[in-house]
Amino acid sequence: GAGVSQTPSNKVTEKGKYVELRCDPISGHTALYWYRQSLGQGPEFLIYFQGTGAADDSGLPNDRFFAVRPEGSVSTLKIQRTERGDSAVYLCASSLSGGGTRETQYFGPGTRLLVL
Amino acid sequence: ELKVEQNPLFLSMQEGKNYTIYCNYSTTSDRLYWYRQDPGKSLESLFVLLSNGAVKQEGRLMASLDTKARLSTLHITAAVHDLSATYFCAVDIYYNQAGTALIFGKGTTLSVSS
Repeated sequence: GAGVSQTPSNKVTEKGKYVELRCDPISGHTALYWYRQSLGQGPEFLIYFQGTGAADDSGLPNDRFFAVRPEGSVSTLKIQRTERGDSAVYLCASSLSGGGTRETQYFGPGTRLLVL
Repeated sequence: ELKVEQNPLFLSMQEGKNYTIYCNYSTTSDRLYWYRQDPGKSLESLFVLLSNGAVKQEGRLMASLDTKARLSTLHITAAVHDLSATYFCAVDIYYNQAGTALIFGKGTTLSVSS
C-alpha cells in the first residue's frame, strides 16, 4: 500500500480483556516498529522487528505485551489482561531495511486503545 | 538514560512572525529527526539531519543540528495557520546493539492565530 496502515483505528475494551492490534507496513519494508504514545507525550519505543524476528523487544513494559510478525510483513501487537494504564495510541512504523542503518521510519495513523 | 527535551512545549504564534523551537538531547548522536503530527493523525517525517552543521529547509521551516551542543533548532519564518500542529524531534540510538529505536521529545504544540 501507499503507507503504513493500522487496524482498528479505535478499540474500547474492558479491564482484564485481551486485545490485538494490527499493523500493515509499507510494501517492501523489512523493518517494523511499535511505539506507544500517551496523551501529551512523545511516542515511546516498544519493539522492533527485522523480518520475522523481534530484533529488540526491550521496550515492552511487561509480559502482558507480545508482538508477532510471522511472515515478515503484517505484525500484530497483543496485550493480555489489559489494564487502564494501557490506554494510549499505539503507533506502528516501518523502514526499508532497518538493521542498524538508522533510516527514516514512516508511521501509521495509530490505534487508539481505551481500557475501561 | 538518553533524554530528549523540547522547548517550549506550547507556542502561540502570530501570523507573519518568526519563531524558533529547540531540541536538546543528552547523549552523543549524529542523526536527528523532526516529525509533524496533526491531531488524530500519523507522524509525518519533516527532516532528517545527518551530521554536525546540517541545515535543511522546506518552505517556511528550517532545521539545523549542532552535535557538539547536542542541540537542534526548528525555525519558522512568517508563520501561517497551516503550520499549526505538534512537532516532535527524535534521536535514534543503537538499542541493545541489535536494532534501532527512536527516542522522542514530548513535542511542541504550535498554534497560529491571525
